[in-house]
Amino acid sequence: AQSVSQHNHHVILSEAASLELGCNYSYGGTVNLFWYVQYPGQHLQLLLKYFSGDPLVKGIKGFEAEFIKSKFSFNLRKPSVQWSDTAEYFCAVTGRTNAGKSTFGDGTTLTVKP
Amino acid sequence: DGGITQSPKYLFRKEGQNVTLSCEQNLNHDAMYWYRQDPGQGLRLIYYSQIVNDFQKGDIAEGYSVSREKKESFPLTVTSAQKNPTAFYLCASSLAPTGELFFGEGSRLTVL
Repeated sequence: AQSVSQHNHHVILSEAASLELGCNYSYGGTVNLFWYVQYPGQHLQLLLKYFSGDPLVKGIKGFEAEFIKSKFSFNLRKPSVQWSDTAEYFCAVTGRTNAGKSTFGDGTTLTVKP
Repeated sequence: DGGITQSPKYLFRKEGQNVTLSCEQNLNHDAMYWYRQDPGQGLRLIYYSQIVNDFQKGDIAEGYSVSREKKESFPLTVTSAQKNPTAFYLCASSLAPTGELFFGEGSRLTVL
């Protein structure tokens, strides 16, 4: 079975602070990894994804994530957050041999103070 | 505008009643999914379908049923057998089964 663990349930930062949200997964094979974001009043949307290749992937709005295979991690980072980054962030994993079954973490609520 | 349309946005139901949530997509995606979102629990997969006339149970299928008669439509019925149906329901689709998900805006069901 696959599972995803997000370490922080609620993070509060001031504008310009750096952000790192932890995500660890467990799955016994090759995976595709995703970060989704849900801004207040909007639907869930893709922030970035990793399928293969360069383990450092860049997404929208200056976000990036690094896949570290040995640690089963896919942490999300942003050097300098803005008030508009206030949202809920979800890490998700889909096993390549488990097509159709994306497993999500519990989510991290990020609040950025202006 | 391509996307996923869920309706209704809000729904109230009395205990013992079945209710059907609609999900329509015009993205020409083969795969469609239903997730349930509860506070602090992330998204949990209810049912998914990779092709018309075929669907599989997800992790929490008990008390739910689906159909996939058309590529663009994947309705979810919350039956009276679902013990705790009050939740936020999200429909999604993807071009490939292991690809990124595109989500609708969700339907919030409250059982009175």
